[in-house]
Amino acid sequence: AQRVTQPEKLLSVFKGAPVELKCNYSYSGSPELFWYVQYSRQRLQLLLRHISRESIKGFTADLNKGETSFHLKKPFAQEEDSAMYYCALSGHNGNQFYFGTGTSLTVIP
Amino acid sequence: NAGVMQNPRHLVRRRGQEARLRCSPMKGHSHVYWYRQLPEEGLKFMVYLQKENIIDESGMPKERFSAEFPKEGPSILRIQQVVRGDSAAYFCASSPDITRHEQYFGPGTRLTVT
Repeated sequence: AQRVTQPEKLLSVFKGAPVELKCNYSYSGSPELFWYVQYSRQRLQLLLRHISRESIKGFTADLNKGETSFHLKKPFAQEEDSAMYYCALSGHNGNQFYFGTGTSLTVIP
Repeated sequence: NAGVMQNPRHLVRRRGQEARLRCSPMKGHSHVYWYRQLPEEGLKFMVYLQKENIIDESGMPKERFSAEFPKEGPSILRIQQVVRGDSAAYFCASSPDITRHEQYFGPGTRLTVT
């Protein structure tokens, strides 16, 4: 069963426009949700995790258990935000990580 | 801290040969995860190891694939008798302990089977 779904493979927004990258998950119990980012020619790195409730590089993500979603949002996109974004889920024991297929974000100047 | 290291970065093998992919976790990290990324697909979990133990290998193909994380040295992902379908990017990640679930990724090894 697909644990993490990112419905948009590609997303383009203009600089300064709001951006939302969608993520829906399927998991019984209390998962931990993450967003990872991969900039061009760099390795995959953690952007934020839901339990820390922090804003990183202007991005925030709220876990909505009713809708089983963990969408990533930023009010004003910047060119340097162009990257590949992956939503990920960890089971309660941390044994497995499930990644979505990723969304490639392009911010148009 | 140099971060998670993987080598080689690129590996070319002919069908039927063996591929060995190495992963050195970050200093102080005792948990290692291996993922495979096929073209046009996301990261797929393969195996989770701690030092000298395989904790979860439910994502690993039953045949030809094996992984180890010895007491000394890097973690090794071994693919025997490679086939064209094994061509992919293989990523390793490490984490410090079971209570902290964020993972730190290596740059990946791109395996090409000709």
